[in-house]
Amino acid sequence: GENVEQHPSTLSVQEGDSAVIKCTYSDSASNYFPWYKQELGKRPQLIIDIRSNVGEKKDQRIAVTLNKTAKHFSLHITETQPEDSAVYFCAARQIDTDKLIFGTGTRLQVFP
Amino acid sequence: NAGVTQTPKFQVLKTGQSMTLQCAQDMNHNSMYWYRQDPGMGLRLIYYSASEGTTDKGEVPNGYNVSRLNKREFSLRLESAAPSQTSVYFCASSKNGQLNTEAFFGQGTRLTVV
Repeated sequence: GENVEQHPSTLSVQEGDSAVIKCTYSDSASNYFPWYKQELGKRPQLIIDIRSNVGEKKDQRIAVTLNKTAKHFSLHITETQPEDSAVYFCAARQIDTDKLIFGTGTRLQVFP
Repeated sequence: NAGVTQTPKFQVLKTGQSMTLQCAQDMNHNSMYWYRQDPGMGLRLIYYSASEGTTDKGEVPNGYNVSRLNKREFSLRLESAAPSQTSVYFCASSKNGQLNTEAFFGQGTRLTVV
């Protein structure tokens, strides 16, 4: 079955710096890769997603890249702000089963 | 639209007791999911349902059962609760996977088994 690995588990950056979180997946049948942000005590919410026919997608300060051959995808946050502090999850969805598997999460701390 | 609604929000059970977590969505989504979230373990898939009338095991199905009652509702049952099932449980839903759309989450149920 699908397995999604996520690194690092914790990440501390200075305000204004960039942050990068990386994920790998195992099932080549996966074709949709969302990223979720979860603030303390709240539900996960989608921040950006990418489909398998696209290599990169940007939305203001966040971007996601996908390398289908290597089966890895990454989240890039530029000009980080204290409000970016949260836990971030990557995920992969299998096109044939609709199964949605998450990584183990990255706790991002942005220091002023 | 309420989105995805879970009940209850909090629950304390004694070991061996049973309970059902309820989930309902009003977005006409085909797919529904149950996850558990433990510190350092991320969101682990318990069961999912790709359409009304179908259910499939996820990564950690042992000790749980599910029912896709209709298109709107997907319940999770613990037949004999164990302390290892202490966790935060999230229900989620999305449109058919072929359309590759966002999964929306409920507010979560914090379950403690003593």
